[in-house]
Amino acid sequence: AQSVSQHNHHVILSEAASLELGCNYSYGGTVNLFWYVQYPGQHLQLLLKYFSGDPLVKGIKGFEAEFIKSKFSFNLRKPSVQWSDTAEYFCAVGNQGGKLIFGQGTELSVKP
Amino acid sequence: DAGVIQSPRHEVTEMGQEVTLRCKPISGHNSLFWYRQTMMRGLELLIYFNNNVPIDDSGMPEDRFSAKMPNASFSTLKIQPSEPRDSAVYFCASSYPGTSGGTQYFGPGTRLLVL
Repeated sequence: AQSVSQHNHHVILSEAASLELGCNYSYGGTVNLFWYVQYPGQHLQLLLKYFSGDPLVKGIKGFEAEFIKSKFSFNLRKPSVQWSDTAEYFCAVGNQGGKLIFGQGTELSVKP
Repeated sequence: DAGVIQSPRHEVTEMGQEVTLRCKPISGHNSLFWYRQTMMRGLELLIYFNNNVPIDDSGMPEDRFSAKMPNASFSTLKIQPSEPRDSAVYFCASSYPGTSGGTQYFGPGTRLLVL
């Protein structure tokens, strides 16, 4: 069965630190990959997505993610985080059944 | 576009009462998803529809939960009777196309508290 694994449950960083959140998935076929962000008390919003083409995807607010097919990974990065990036981040994989398989989420706390 | 619309935004009810949550997907989207989010269990997919037809309801916790999509612009999630453990945030999301795991757009959620 498909699964998505986010290695970090809670990450704490200081402002201006670099961020990398890990995401691995298990699925042998063509995949669509997503990162969503959920700010405190809000709903999930799309951060970026990969369907095909350049494996380095740039999203909103300076985030980017790299799809490495051989590693079944889609890690999220940001060179310099801000206090406003404090949120929960979800990696997701789309399957041919039409639904998204979400990871457990990673809570990011950025200290000012 | 107005985005996915959910109502009510907040609901407080007593155990045993019926609760109905409503969702209006983005116009033109043909897939609709109901999720539940709690601290303990995270984000769970309850049920989803393609072209108004329920495709996978394996996430529905028990018979007390039911969902309908009578037309392309409206869906309901009903809990009857409600229990305190149903307290959660319920999100509706829609997407197009629905066959390849397309981008899902989430509504603001309904925060349900069952006393």
